[in-house]
Amino acid sequence: EDQVTQSPEALRLQEGESSSLNCSYTVSGLRGLFWYRQDPGKGPEFLFTLYSAGEEKEKERLKATLTKKESFLHITAPKPEDSATYLCAVQVGAIQGAQKLVFGQGTRLTINP
Amino acid sequence: GAVVSQHPSRVICKSGTSVKIECRSLDFQATTMFWYRQFPKKSLMLMATSNEGSKATYEQGVEKDKFLINHASLTLSTLTVTSAHPEDSSFYICKEKAELSNQPQHFGDGTRLSIL
Repeated sequence: EDQVTQSPEALRLQEGESSSLNCSYTVSGLRGLFWYRQDPGKGPEFLFTLYSAGEEKEKERLKATLTKKESFLHITAPKPEDSATYLCAVQVGAIQGAQKLVFGQGTRLTINP
Repeated sequence: GAVVSQHPSRVICKSGTSVKIECRSLDFQATTMFWYRQFPKKSLMLMATSNEGSKATYEQGVEKDKFLINHASLTLSTLTVTSAHPEDSSFYICKEKAELSNQPQHFGDGTRLSIL
C-alpha cells in the first residue's frame, strides 16, 4: 500500500530559526513528489515538484530535496508569513499522466515573531 | 491569479439537503478534475476522478450514489452531495489535471460543508 508520512506533525519556530520538515514515502512506481502549502480554509498552493533522487528546488526561503525514501523541505530564516500547513504528496500509478496523488497528513508550521 | 475557481466556499445546511459544488478551470480546458475531501487536521483523500463526457471513477469506499459527479463541459465539473448528513461535513477540494505531469497542479480554494 502506498504511504506518505510527514514529521513532525506540528512545529513552532522563532522568526529566523531555520529548520526542516520531513516526508517519508513507501510507494510503488513514484512518478513525482509534490510539496504544497495550505492556509486555513484554503486549497493547497503548489510549491515544488521533484522527480528523481538528488534533485533540489528552491523558492525564496524554501528548498526541497529528494532521496529514494524521503524528501525534506528546508526553511531558512522563516518569517511569520511562512506559517501554514505544509503538505507532501506523491504521484503514483502505472499509467503515464494519471496524476493520482497520495498525501501525507501535513506539518503545521507556526513562526512566532 | 487563481486558475481553478471553486464555488461556493462555504455551505451550511440542514440534514437531508443536497448540495452542489462547482469547480471551473480558468486557464485551459480540463478534461479531468480530481475531487478530494479533507477532515480537520487530516490528509487530503482522493474521492473520485471526473472525466469530461464520461462517467467518473470513484475510489474504493466512496459511494457513487452519494457523491454525484458531472463533467459535462471542458471547463466545469460538479460534485453533488446527495441527502447530506452530519458525517458528510468536511472540506471538499477539486484539482485540475495539468496538461503535462511536470506542470504545476492547481487546486481550487475548497468548499467547507457543514451539515446541521
